[in-house]
Amino acid sequence: QKEVEQDPGPLSVPEGAIVSLNCTYSNSAFQYFMWYRQYSRKGPELLMYTYSSGNKEDGRFTAQVDKSSKYISLFIRDSQPSDSATYLCAIGNNDMRFGAGTRLTVKP
Amino acid sequence: KAGVTQTPRYLIKTRGQQVTLSCSPISGHRSVSWYQQTPGQGLQFLFEYFSETQRNKGNFPGRFSGRQFSNSRSEMNVSTLELGDSALYLCASSLGRDGVKAFFGQGTRLTVV
Repeated sequence: QKEVEQDPGPLSVPEGAIVSLNCTYSNSAFQYFMWYRQYSRKGPELLMYTYSSGNKEDGRFTAQVDKSSKYISLFIRDSQPSDSATYLCAIGNNDMRFGAGTRLTVKP
Repeated sequence: KAGVTQTPRYLIKTRGQQVTLSCSPISGHRSVSWYQQTPGQGLQFLFEYFSETQRNKGNFPGRFSGRQFSNSRSEMNVSTLELGDSALYLCASSLGRDGVKAFFGQGTRLTVV
């Protein structure tokens, strides 16, 4: 079993939809949770960072962490075609473990 | 503020050769981590350096090595290249020791033929 599991998708939604991306992890000692966005042929871009259970909001993005269930989510409201990318979760302490990435397409 | 800079952006090497990749972190960042990204395996952690010391190492063979200089710039070396080493190699820098909240460069795409 991988330490971090993420559904690779692909996920296709219409413009304006709410997108939900999820990861589960196995090690309850992990303290840091991040979401990255990666466009084709680019390096990952840090979107959200948190170290506690609960919600963290930044514009159209909300990161949610449930440590009791070892489950994290990223919600994108009012999705735009420019949100089309691969979204990676990263979880860990000293060395981050990345999920496989979910490829998202937002259709106009 | 300049981002993480990786050079070169693209490389083509022959099996058996060796290669050195370079990474310049964001100014003030002392932690540099290296990752290998492939379609099949995703992003895999190679190693992390902080203040010229390797703090963490992933599960890669000894052919993969790295170092960090006093100005925090880092290099990664792969010796005796294999076809399976073809990948996007990403460098990430962060302020702290733990590599958390890291910012990535654009990567070096290595093709081994």
